Amino acid sequence: DAGVIQSPRHEVTEMGQEVTLRCKPISGHDYLFWYRQTMMRGLELLIYFNNNVPIDDSGMPEDRFSAKMPNASFSTLKIQPSEPRDSAVYFCASSDPGQGTYNEQFFGPGTRLTVL
Amino acid sequence: ELKVEQNPLFLSMQEGKNYTIYCNYSTTSDRLYWYRQDPGKSLESLFVLLSNGAVKQEGRLMASLDTKARLSTLHITAAVHDLSATYFCAVGGSQGNLIFGKGTKLSVKP
Repeated sequence: DAGVIQSPRHEVTEMGQEVTLRCKPISGHDYLFWYRQTMMRGLELLIYFNNNVPIDDSGMPEDRFSAKMPNASFSTLKIQPSEPRDSAVYFCASSDPGQGTYNEQFFGPGTRLTVL
Repeated sequence: ELKVEQNPLFLSMQEGKNYTIYCNYSTTSDRLYWYRQDPGKSLESLFVLLSNGAVKQEGRLMASLDTKARLSTLHITAAVHDLSATYFCAVGGSQGNLIFGKGTKLSVKP
């Protein structure tokens, strides 16, 4: 398996623009997680899904952020409108609660977002 | 609410020395994970500890779990520069999620 795939790897945009980050989880994984990492705030869980259903979105900072998982192999995180304080690295991770991996999360390479 | 505390948060070591990173958590959990993050990179899984007394070793790193004390340790033996990274511990939550500590930034100097 290719692992968790994220795109784009880097995104530079201007304040007020819409940004869409994409994630393809590892095939067969039931859980998908979106994290944000900054120097100031560290690693933050934004939202996670189980079998395409959002379980906990309490980490989503505000209404400008939204996430969807239309099927088991694709998820998006959208920021509209974007602001400079949204600049961060956004990670997607997936996991499988089965006997083999015990909910071990596998992280994608991340998307480095810069909002000017 | 499950909380995970790591200490120290920053660690500067000399090559060849030994040291231990501690991970305490606040409520019962039977799963403990250690991750490594190199600068500018993603998080990579190191160890998954699933039971009280579990010990796992990989090279110069050894992780252990004491569920009664709600404590995991990551022991570094004879540190080398290549071990410089940020190490996170995480505890299994009740809904398939993980609760991460703030991370320990390790710097190994010659």
